[in-house]
Amino acid sequence: DAKTTQPPSMDCAEGRAANLPCNHSTISGNEYVYWYRQIHSQGPQYIIHGLKNNETNEMASLIITEDRKSSTLILPHATLRDTAVYYCIVRVQKLVFGQGTRLTINP
Amino acid sequence: GAVVSQHPSWVICKSGTSVKIECRSLDFQATTMFWYRQFPKQSLMLMATSNEGSKATYEQGVEKDKFLINHASLTLSTLTVTSAHPEDSSFYICSASRGPQGAYEQYFGPGTRLTVT
Repeated sequence: DAKTTQPPSMDCAEGRAANLPCNHSTISGNEYVYWYRQIHSQGPQYIIHGLKNNETNEMASLIITEDRKSSTLILPHATLRDTAVYYCIVRVQKLVFGQGTRLTINP
Repeated sequence: GAVVSQHPSWVICKSGTSVKIECRSLDFQATTMFWYRQFPKQSLMLMATSNEGSKATYEQGVEKDKFLINHASLTLSTLTVTSAHPEDSSFYICSASRGPQGAYEQYFGPGTRLTVT
């Protein structure tokens, strides 16, 4: 599975859009980009995934660059409950977690 | 939909005893289930992958005789930590997927906190 690189931490003001970047320059053609988040002492929560096209659901939007070497997760209107560790993972079969980005939403 | 439960949510056991953790997919059939372990302030580490009706595939460095995994049905997988020691104390998390390929989401359980005294 390809490796991903994420900033270790980010801050965002409540009500603003949170944009979380992820680099996956060695991604192969059949690997999906997945995003999960983990709130302290809970199991990871699925957010969104995509292969080539941009995706949007009720939680977030996923923007994948045309060369697929990077992606951005967008939380359009961040709330305090969005404070969590966000994991970007490229996957063929199994999810292998990196260190993720610790996102803190500030009031 | 896509709810995964774990039981128990926490357990304390004495060194040398065995502990069984259950993982259930409540509203879908899980062809593939995964077991992870997470130590404090660290990321999740994949331990093993199991497909219904077949033997689990363990990640490098995970002792298969110590961490017994059974995936007997499409809705239930169990992880048994045998002869537990204090260093096995950790947060154990399972996940379930409708299929093994990347097109299928993995849904995670709430985790089981194991403390070995």
